Amino acid sequence: DAGVIQSPRHEVTEMGQEVTLRCKPISGHDYLFWYRQTMMRGLELLIYFNNNVPIDDSGMPEDRFSAKMPNASFSTLKIQPSEPRDSAVYFCAVDSYYGYTFGSGTRLTVV
Amino acid sequence: ILNVEQSPQSLHVQEGDSTNFTCSFPSSNFYALHWYRWETAKSPEALFVMTLNGDEKKKGRISATLNTKEGYSYLYIKGSQPEDSATYLCAFIASNYQLIWGAGTKLIIKP
Repeated sequence: DAGVIQSPRHEVTEMGQEVTLRCKPISGHDYLFWYRQTMMRGLELLIYFNNNVPIDDSGMPEDRFSAKMPNASFSTLKIQPSEPRDSAVYFCAVDSYYGYTFGSGTRLTVV
Repeated sequence: ILNVEQSPQSLHVQEGDSTNFTCSFPSSNFYALHWYRWETAKSPEALFVMTLNGDEKKKGRISATLNTKEGYSYLYIKGSQPEDSATYLCAFIASNYQLIWGAGTKLIIKP
């Protein structure tokens, strides 16, 4: 079991471009979470899925953000168009009996 | 409004000393409390999942207690080592699965 795999690890893009972040979760977990971490706001929940269905997206900052989970082994978080204030580390996580297991994160820089 | 508070915000401890810090959370609608250890540039690592009032859990030199009636949890580190330096986060999970993070306690172990 390779854990929660996120890609890319780093992404630098220009303002206005579309950005897609990817997450491959550990199999067998019902819940998948997308978090954003910034120095100012700490760790924020953006959206979570249960059995591939989005349950709560109230943390998604605005309509420029969208997330999908087409199947149990893959999820994407898309920002279109991206803005400099979207620069952050984006984490994907799944639940388990031992707590949440986080991916290594994608560091996004929008210039 | 559900609020989770951690204290102190930061802590400097001499190597070899023991230490503890606190997570305060709402005493109603409790489902679970998680503790995480978060090192810079890494993803948060789950330490404990606590669900029952009076729970005590231990992992090596780190242990945690839970009091759901009064809404607090303590994390203890015995015989601090430099590798214990990290930010320790607690997360409160309400009965509706809403998750609220504390701001963390930044622990620095001085050699």
